[in-house]
Amino acid sequence: GNSVTQMEGPVTLSEEAFLTINCTYTATGYPSLFWYVQYPGEGLQLLLKATKADDKGSNKGFEATYRKETTSFHLEKGSVQVSDSAVYFCALALTGGGNKLTFGTGTQLKVEL
Amino acid sequence: NAGVTQTPKFRILKIGQSMTLQCTQDMNHNYMYWYRQDPGMGLKLIYYSVGAGITDKGEVPNGYNVSRSTTEDFPLRLELAAPSQTSVYFCASSSSSRGQVTEAFFGQGTRLTVV
Repeated sequence: GNSVTQMEGPVTLSEEAFLTINCTYTATGYPSLFWYVQYPGEGLQLLLKATKADDKGSNKGFEATYRKETTSFHLEKGSVQVSDSAVYFCALALTGGGNKLTFGTGTQLKVEL
Repeated sequence: NAGVTQTPKFRILKIGQSMTLQCTQDMNHNYMYWYRQDPGMGLKLIYYSVGAGITDKGEVPNGYNVSRSTTEDFPLRLELAAPSQTSVYFCASSSSSRGQVTEAFFGQGTRLTVV
């Protein structure tokens, strides 16, 4: 079956620090990969996505590269801000599968001044 | 734009009671979903629908029922509430597009406690 594994949190960083959240996946087909973000008290919203190998998704200073050879989609940001504090979910979906998402367990990020 | 709207936002149920979680979307999306989010477990798919009149089970459907009589609405029914159904429930929708996966839009969630 399909599964997503991401690093456990919480991750606590100082403002302007470099962020990496690791994500690896297993899939029966050729998935599209996503990072969703959940701010406190809100629903999930799409942060970025990549649909094929070597694609780089980017948004709001975050980026992730679809690495088929290592089945990974690590999230990075060069300089985090307090406003980036949230829970980040890695997810995959297969084409033709009704867009059903398989999520990782989520990683909570706390950014302090 | 309203997007995906869920009601209620919070609810406390007693064991054995029933309730319906409402979800409506105004984006004319064919696909709709119900997920539950438990601490440390990510989101699990309960039911999904690819269009009006069509529903199918997800990963954790036991104890729930759904219907999809219109494109806009996708209610989730709990018939006999159990403590194991204490969770945060998210409704989501996405458009259908041949050959690619499209973005899912989520509601703000319903926090349900069964006591």
